[in-house]
Amino acid sequence: EAGVAQSPRYKIIEKRQSVAFWCNPISGHATLYWYQQILGQGPKLLIQFQNNGVVDDSQLPKDRFSAERLKGVDSTLKIQPAKLEDSAVYLCASSRRYNEQFFGPGTRLTVL
Amino acid sequence: ELKVEQNPLFLSMQEGKNYTIYCNYSTTSDRLYWYRQDPGKSLESLFVLLSNGAVKQEGRLMASLDTKARLSTLHITAAVHDLSATYFCAVDRDSGNTPLVFGKGTRLSVIA
Repeated sequence: EAGVAQSPRYKIIEKRQSVAFWCNPISGHATLYWYQQILGQGPKLLIQFQNNGVVDDSQLPKDRFSAERLKGVDSTLKIQPAKLEDSAVYLCASSRRYNEQFFGPGTRLTVL
Repeated sequence: ELKVEQNPLFLSMQEGKNYTIYCNYSTTSDRLYWYRQDPGKSLESLFVLLSNGAVKQEGRLMASLDTKARLSTLHITAAVHDLSATYFCAVDRDSGNTPLVFGKGTRLSVIA
């Protein structure tokens, strides 16, 4: 089965610009997560969706970050405006049973 | 707040040697996950440990879980260069399909 797909793989922007990332989870996986991984650290949750509803967005900086999963499949994560500290890898993951999460290749964001 | 601690954070070991990575977590959980991450790559699921006393082995890696001690170990037997990577343990934040809380990772370097 196909894995979690993400695009773009790399993005370089200047601070205060906006950026959007896209994720397509594994077919049939109802739960989708966005994690932020800063260099040298483990991933940290930004937002969790169950189908097209938000389950947990308590760690999402809502003044600049937004995410949606309109049809319960694909998801987009947006940052507007970006700050230097947003430089990180943004990982999308999906799961079905036992909460075993499968991760996409990630989008490496550099904010200059 | 759930905390997950790994040690060591950095490990340099010779080929052919054995070593153990430790993962401690601060709240009760029956499920623990181990992931591998190569530089610039995403996370690859290695083991899902679902109950107290669970032990799983794949090649030169063996993982175990002691939920009473809140401890998991990842044992490396007769290390080879291909095992060089960063290894993360992660724990369910709550029960059910919930976000994972990751340790900081153990960067393993296997040298000849």
